[in-house]
Amino acid sequence: AQTVTQSQPEMSVQEAETVTLSCTYDTSESDYYLFWYKQPPSRQMILVIRQEAYKQQNATENRFSVNFQKAAKSFSLKISDSQLGDAAMYFCACMNYGGSQGNLIFGKGTKLSVKP
Amino acid sequence: DAGITQSPRYKITETGRQVTLMCHQTWSHSYMFWYRQDLGHGLRLIYYSAAADITDKGEVSDGYVVSRSKTENFPLTLESATRSQTSVYFCASTITRYTGELFFGEGSRLTVL
Repeated sequence: AQTVTQSQPEMSVQEAETVTLSCTYDTSESDYYLFWYKQPPSRQMILVIRQEAYKQQNATENRFSVNFQKAAKSFSLKISDSQLGDAAMYFCACMNYGGSQGNLIFGKGTKLSVKP
Repeated sequence: DAGITQSPRYKITETGRQVTLMCHQTWSHSYMFWYRQDLGHGLRLIYYSAAADITDKGEVSDGYVVSRSKTENFPLTLESATRSQTSVYFCASTITRYTGELFFGEGSRLTVL
């Protein structure tokens, strides 16, 4: 069974600084996707970034980038130049490629606070 | 551009009552999901559906029932609500199981007294 672990229940960062959120996962599959979702106070989940496991290059989306270490099963999210609007819950998730469900397994989340 | 909508957004009910949470998407996505979100647990899958009339259980399906007679609708029913079902419920959809990008509704907060 897949598991996703986020070991940091809460994190805090100063505006304009950089913060890294940690995530480790476990899966027996060789092909899978990894994701970071953001949940602002409005509650709606928004995809931040996606990484295909077969790609060695780390995904980036503007100020968001990941550090994907496949052997270590680690998938951290780096937020550069943090903004007040980045304050939210962040969920790491994993999905086996080609799985019958197409569903994601989520970690428990990290609450990020951004200080002005 | 309605996307995916859930109703009601907030619901208070009593133990033993039947409750139905509605989910409607306008994209004709094949796959739809129901998750519940609880503090300390993240999101856990209740049920999913690969297409109309095809549904299957997720991790925490006990006490829940779903149906999917039309592609765009995926209602979730609590047949006899219990306090442990107090939670925020999210519906999500995706066009294909191969990308993993889910599109979420805004959630329905259910309180069972």
